[in-house]
Amino acid sequence: QSVLTQPPSVSAAPGQKVTISCSGSDSIIGNNYVSWYQHLPGAAPKLLIEDNDARPSGIPDRFSGSKSATSATLGITGLQTGDEADYYCAAWDRSLGTVVFGGGTKLSVL
Amino acid sequence: QVHLQQWGAGLLRPSETLSLTCAVNGESLVGYYWSWIRLPPGKGLEWIGEINHSGSSNYNPSLKSRVTTSVDTSKNQVSLILSSVTAADTAVYYCARGTNRHHFASGSYPRAFDPWGQGSLVTVSP
Repeated sequence: QSVLTQPPSVSAAPGQKVTISCSGSDSIIGNNYVSWYQHLPGAAPKLLIEDNDARPSGIPDRFSGSKSATSATLGITGLQTGDEADYYCAAWDRSLGTVVFGGGTKLSVL
Repeated sequence: QVHLQQWGAGLLRPSETLSLTCAVNGESLVGYYWSWIRLPPGKGLEWIGEINHSGSSNYNPSLKSRVTTSVDTSKNQVSLILSSVTAADTAVYYCARGTNRHHFASGSYPRAFDPWGQGSLVTVSP
C-alpha cells in the first residue's frame, strides 16, 4: 500500500473538468515537492507537473497542480478522450529516505 | 532532445540476477542523476534508486540490499543490477532522468523525473 493515497479511478465527460487528489503526511507532501505523471497504455510515463504546480515546456495549460499541507491535486480541464490514462503523484518521503509514488488513478473520459 | 533507450533480459528464474542498461542519447550524463523506477502489474510505481555520472548513488531502503547501479561515461549508459529476484520483482522497469534536485542538510533528492525510457518488461517465473 502506497504512502501517498490516490483514488483508484475518476471519470468525467469530454470537455468537463476532473481533479485527482494525492494525500499523504505533512512530512511527505508538506515539506517537499510534488510531481505528477501521465501514463498512457504502452507508453513511457510523462511528466505533467513538477514542483507542485509548474508545467514543463510543452504541457498544455489544461493541466494544473496545487498543494496544501498534506495533499496535492491535479486538475485537468477540457477533457479529451486522449487523456484516458493512469495518473501518478510522487514526492520525497524524508522518514523513509526515498521517493514515493501514489498508487495511481485511472481516468476514464466517458 | 534527450532520449533514453533501455534493454535487458526479459525472463528470469527465481534467484537469478536482473540486469538492465539504459543508453542516454542526445545529452551527457553529467549534471544529472539517472533513476530506475518500476511498475509491478496491478500496483503503483516504485522508485528503485539513482546514480550520477561520478557513480554517486542512492537507493530505496526496501531494495538497497539487492540493488547495484553503475555508470559507463564512455558509452553514456547507466545500468541496474537486482540480485536474487523473486516473482515480486516482476514489473516493467524504467530508467528516467532526474530533474532539479532539492537540497537539504543531509542530502538531496530528485524533484521530478523527465524523460523516461520506453520500459523493459521483466518477468520472474519458475
